[in-house]
Amino acid sequence: QKEVEQDPGPLSVPEGAIVSLNCTYSNSAFQYFMWYRQYSRKGPELLMYTYSSGNKEDGRFTAQVDKSSKYISLFIRDSQPSDSATYLCAMSATGSGSRLTFGEGTQLTVNP
Amino acid sequence: DVKVTQSSRYLVKRTGEKVFLECVQDMDHENMFWYRQDPGLGLRLIYFSYDVKMKEKGDIPEGYSVSREKKERFSLILESASTNQTSMYLCASSLSWGGRETQYFGPGTRLLVL
Repeated sequence: QKEVEQDPGPLSVPEGAIVSLNCTYSNSAFQYFMWYRQYSRKGPELLMYTYSSGNKEDGRFTAQVDKSSKYISLFIRDSQPSDSATYLCAMSATGSGSRLTFGEGTQLTVNP
Repeated sequence: DVKVTQSSRYLVKRTGEKVFLECVQDMDHENMFWYRQDPGLGLRLIYFSYDVKMKEKGDIPEGYSVSREKKERFSLILESASTNQTSMYLCASSLSWGGRETQYFGPGTRLLVL
């Protein structure tokens, strides 16, 4: 069983929709949770970072972490065609340094 | 802005060839990483380095080696390329050793082994 599970999609939504992307994990030592966005033929770039449980909002993006359920989410409000990309969740444990464990990635297409 | 560059965007090699993939970062980062990305498997860590001449195995080091002679440069070596090493290879760097440190990625090298 993978340490981090992420629905690979693909997910296709109309412009303006609310998008929910999710990951579950099994390692209770994970403390740092990240979402990376990867455009086609590019490397991933950090989108959101959250430490431990709670919510974090940045513009149209909200990251949620529920450590009790070992579940993290990324919400995109008012989705735009420019949000079309693959979204990867990543997480790390205290003491593992910068070593990240990634989900498989969810491919999102926002249709105009 | 942090810039991570990779020597090639696309490479085609033959089975048995020795392949060098190079990565350079320009922000004096201590840590550097090599991943491969495959459909259905996501990003998997091959090797990482937290200092010059230091290296640590990741989750899938078999068939690969690395070299870090200078802080800004991290090379991935396929000693004898095989078809199952056809993949997208991504290099990343981060400033220091801490759980919250952002990893910055290069654009990737798409390697095809025939």
